[in-house]
Amino acid sequence: DVKVTQSSRYLVKRTGEKVFLECVQDMDHENMFWYRQDPGLGLRLIYFSYDVKMKEKGDIPEGYSVSREKKERFSLILESASTNQTSMYLCASSFAGTQYFGPGTRLLVL
Amino acid sequence: RKEVEQDPGPFNVPEGATVAFNCTYSNSASQSFFWYRQDCRKEPKLLMSVYSSGNEDGRFTAQLNRASQYISLLIRDSKLSDSATYLCVVIASGGSYIPTFGRGTSLIVHP
Repeated sequence: DVKVTQSSRYLVKRTGEKVFLECVQDMDHENMFWYRQDPGLGLRLIYFSYDVKMKEKGDIPEGYSVSREKKERFSLILESASTNQTSMYLCASSFAGTQYFGPGTRLLVL
Repeated sequence: RKEVEQDPGPFNVPEGATVAFNCTYSNSASQSFFWYRQDCRKEPKLLMSVYSSGNEDGRFTAQLNRASQYISLLIRDSKLSDSATYLCVVIASGGSYIPTFGRGTSLIVHP
């Protein structure tokens, strides 16, 4: 079974803090994704990566950056957290179109 | 990438009922289609892929209508445990495998 893990299930941060969310997958997938999910808005793609050191903007990249230094790890960075970044963050890896999600990180920015 | 639309529901049905959801997509170049299930406060998980010929997995049947650009999910003999949000996912052609998610349809199965 594919396993995707995320560094934290719940996180509380203050406005202006730098926040790191980490995601690790164990199936050697090339494609990895970061989404946020908000009530009524569904899943929105923040960034994705095809391979090590490669990244592409998704639909809502503003306020976020990513890092992929190793194939199995894809990190999402909030440079300066703001209250409107309070959300559920989901990481996924994919193969042949099928997405495998991590358990998600619920981030609260105060 | 263009939109994928779903009726948000909720669909409120009794145990044993048959319920169907549709999902429309606007990009005629779409090539791959999926249904995911998401339980409350959990991550989405693949329910089934949708093939041109349609496919069935137990009580679940998925169909694709390319001419009208929609996919459907039929659940027969609903169980309480089927209560969840069902997400439609569409991937356009081009090999990028970037999915477009619908916002989901909520299903509540009651005793």
